[in-house]
Amino acid sequence: GQQLNQSPQSMFIQEGEDVSMNCTSSSIFNTWLWYKQDPGEGPVLLIALYKAGELTSNGRLTAQFGITRKDSFLNISASIPSDVGIYFCAGQVNTGGFKTIFGAGTRLFVKA
Amino acid sequence: SQTIHQWPATLVQPVGSPLSLECTVEGTSNPNLYWYRQAAGRGLQLLFYSVGIGQISSEVPQNLSASRPQDRQFILSSKKLLLSDSGFYLCAWTAGGPSGTQYFGPGTRLTVL
Repeated sequence: GQQLNQSPQSMFIQEGEDVSMNCTSSSIFNTWLWYKQDPGEGPVLLIALYKAGELTSNGRLTAQFGITRKDSFLNISASIPSDVGIYFCAGQVNTGGFKTIFGAGTRLFVKA
Repeated sequence: SQTIHQWPATLVQPVGSPLSLECTVEGTSNPNLYWYRQAAGRGLQLLFYSVGIGQISSEVPQNLSASRPQDRQFILSSKKLLLSDSGFYLCAWTAGGPSGTQYFGPGTRLTVL
């Protein structure tokens, strides 16, 4: 079945550093989504990407939909302590129900 | 605007006891509804999804079941909990259509002892 490989699994960075994480797959997706989950809460949508090559920003976050439609990356610039959490990528295919496949998540730790 | 609610927020249950978790969505009609489980430090595992009242699809065979008695209500149940059922349970909804973006509820932390 379809799977997403999200990397890295975890990151320990210093406040102010830039962060990059990505998701890859052997399958093609129609939509890529990036979520952030704070401890003890549900994931919150950060960025949605709908077209191959699309580059979208949301504040200090930037995400891109890979040209091959098999990958996506998320960058966070000038990290701050509240960026701590788990970041999930998700890919969707339109199979009559928008099946969504989630990556395993990247745990981000930011040291002040 | 749309909102999604889950309750209870936390639950501690003994092995073998029944379970009922509830999810409701406001501000939309005929949503697709989803139940996920997240084990500690792990990703999201899709358990059930529903495209309409009484329509339930199961992704993973287990001792859990789901029901959708009303358009905006989704219930996760078990007759007898196992230790392995512990985890963080998330409900999500989509409006369907070309976007299909999933929006998550606040989650229920279940601990089975």
